[in-house]
Amino acid sequence: AQKITQTQPGMFVQEKEAVTLDCTYDTSDPSYGLFWYKQPSSGEMIFLIYQGSYDQQNATEGRYSLNFQKARKSANLVISASQLGDSAMYFCAMREGTDSNYQLIWGAGTKLIIKP
Amino acid sequence: ETGVTQTPRHLVMGMTNKKSLKCEQHLGHNAMYWYKQSAKKPLELMFVYNFKEQTENNSVPSRFSPECPNSSHLFLHLHTLQPEDSALYLCASSQESAGVIQETQYFGPGTRLLVL
Repeated sequence: AQKITQTQPGMFVQEKEAVTLDCTYDTSDPSYGLFWYKQPSSGEMIFLIYQGSYDQQNATEGRYSLNFQKARKSANLVISASQLGDSAMYFCAMREGTDSNYQLIWGAGTKLIIKP
Repeated sequence: ETGVTQTPRHLVMGMTNKKSLKCEQHLGHNAMYWYKQSAKKPLELMFVYNFKEQTENNSVPSRFSPECPNSSHLFLHLHTLQPEDSALYLCASSQESAGVIQETQYFGPGTRLLVL
């Protein structure tokens, strides 16, 4: 079974609108961390935001915020006031606390296109 | 120099060639990673080095041979590759501490490899 699921292969959003990118995860480990990365067409993976399983507050980082719903095992990325430069692939990833090798488990990604 | 650098950025090679990919991190991290990213597939972890010791080899074919001479440099030696090995190869680094999940992996720009 997939541990990280991103159900939206692609999304078109009008510039300046907010956008939500979905991510659901599957783990029985009580300790885990969730990461979001952005990958522009140039190829580099850019770290955006992190949410720990024990964090009481939803993570925020500038225009990025994470809608963390632990009971539903979802960690959706919200981008406020989208910009043309936000067009990219977005990946959700998870690290489980019991994995001594600290491996990241990756979703398939969502391609976001911002329309002017 | 900042962050994680990779050379070359693009590489075309025949199936009988031998080539090497180079990664260098300037972040003082103690762990380095090689990933393979093929079209329409999640990121695949290939190798992990922690304090220069290889801690993970995810069933990677022997035609890929990693080398980590020190904590700042990581190589991926390639020989007798197949066309299906064409992909984006990403290097990453992180500062790992026992029991800490939050450590973020920082990526280089990748090497786009085409095997003819």
